[in-house]
Amino acid sequence: EAGVTQFPSHSVIEKGQTVTLRCDPISGHDNLYWYRRVMGKEIKFLLHFVKESKQDESGMPNNRFLAERTGGTYSTLKVQPAELEDSGVYFCASSQVVNTEAFFGQGTRLTVV
Amino acid sequence: KQEVTQIPAALSVPEGENLVLNCSFTDSAIYNLQWFRQDPGKGLTSLLLIQSSQREQTSGRLNASLDKSSGRSTLYIAASQPGDSATYLCAVRGGRNAGNMLTFGGGTRLMVKP
Repeated sequence: EAGVTQFPSHSVIEKGQTVTLRCDPISGHDNLYWYRRVMGKEIKFLLHFVKESKQDESGMPNNRFLAERTGGTYSTLKVQPAELEDSGVYFCASSQVVNTEAFFGQGTRLTVV
Repeated sequence: KQEVTQIPAALSVPEGENLVLNCSFTDSAIYNLQWFRQDPGKGLTSLLLIQSSQREQTSGRLNASLDKSSGRSTLYIAASQPGDSATYLCAVRGGRNAGNMLTFGGGTRLMVKP
């Protein structure tokens, strides 16, 4: 069974550009989460999807970040326009039922220069 | 607001030692607690999940305990090996204003020397 897959693994973009990160959860997992770790800080929650609906987006830092999960399968996280402070590692996780074991992807390392 | 602290931040031990990693959290109204391992440049690998009603979970050489009322968990690693070298992360799900999100500690960076 495939795990959580994230693409790309690395992305280097210039300030002001747009980047889209993708996450494919484990098949059958209705719950999908985005987290990120910025330099020197703990991993922080961004948002939670249940199927295609946003259950909780309280961790989204500002309106430059847009997450979608059309059809309740894969999810994208778009940053537009990217700023230097957006640099970090973005993780996606999925779980079959809310409040059960979460499985994480390998992360996307985003560098904004 | 839920806060998670891990002590120590870094640990270096010789191979074969038994060791304990500590995790504490401020809000005991959690659903569960999960321990992860992260290797450099890699994702998070789930090690153990303890539900709020449980006291401990075991997997191989790993044993995690949970004392919800005091806001503490420990991860015990028996007979450590160089392959155990990694960063270990503790995360709790829930808390009065934390919803269903995981709140992470800063991690313990473990080095096991051969």
